[in-house]
Amino acid sequence: SQTIHQWPATLVQPVGSPLSLECTVEGTSNPNLYWYRQAAGRGLQLLFYSIGIDQISSEVPQNLSASRPQDRQFILSSKKLLLSDSGFYLCAWSVGIVTEAFFGQGTRLTVV
Amino acid sequence: AQTVTQSQPEMSVQEAETVTLSCTYDTSESNYYLFWYKQPPSRQMILVIRQEAYKQQNATENRFSVNFQKAAKSFSLKISDSQLGDTAMYFCAFIGSGTYKYIFGTGTRLKVLA
Repeated sequence: SQTIHQWPATLVQPVGSPLSLECTVEGTSNPNLYWYRQAAGRGLQLLFYSIGIDQISSEVPQNLSASRPQDRQFILSSKKLLLSDSGFYLCAWSVGIVTEAFFGQGTRLTVV
Repeated sequence: AQTVTQSQPEMSVQEAETVTLSCTYDTSESNYYLFWYKQPPSRQMILVIRQEAYKQQNATENRFSVNFQKAAKSFSLKISDSQLGDTAMYFCAFIGSGTYKYIFGTGTRLKVLA
């Protein structure tokens, strides 16, 4: 069966420090991969999605970037964190088109 | 652009009662999927139910059912026999056949009261 691993679960980082959040999917090939951010009391904002190893789309121009070094690995990065980067980050995967997405357990990021 | 609107930020229901959460969406696509996700206090996103737009029959999963009105672009979730474990944030989501992007509403926080 397919599983998704996302880590770390919680992270506290100072302003200006770098960020790396990792997500890995097991049990499937060529998944579509997603990074969402959920700010307090708000819905899910799509940050990046990738339908292939060399195909990453950015939805919101900001302080973050994404990479897909392997088929089932998706990394969210920042060179210098801002206070506004605080939030709950969710990785998700799906297969094919017009199907449901499955989510990781999320990372709570607090920038201080 | 597709949008998903959940107009009820918070709702409450007595245990064992029935509650309906509202969702409307806007799209020009003819083929799409709609979903309801549950996010309990653990914050794990859990798929509750899905509906294919080409199916006229409303989806049902145990105590959860939807009322899909395609012409009105409405997709409400009915929870029957509410249980304390149903307390969570509920998100309505959309994905169209022409895109890989899931669009989420802002969520409805549901509290089931004992």
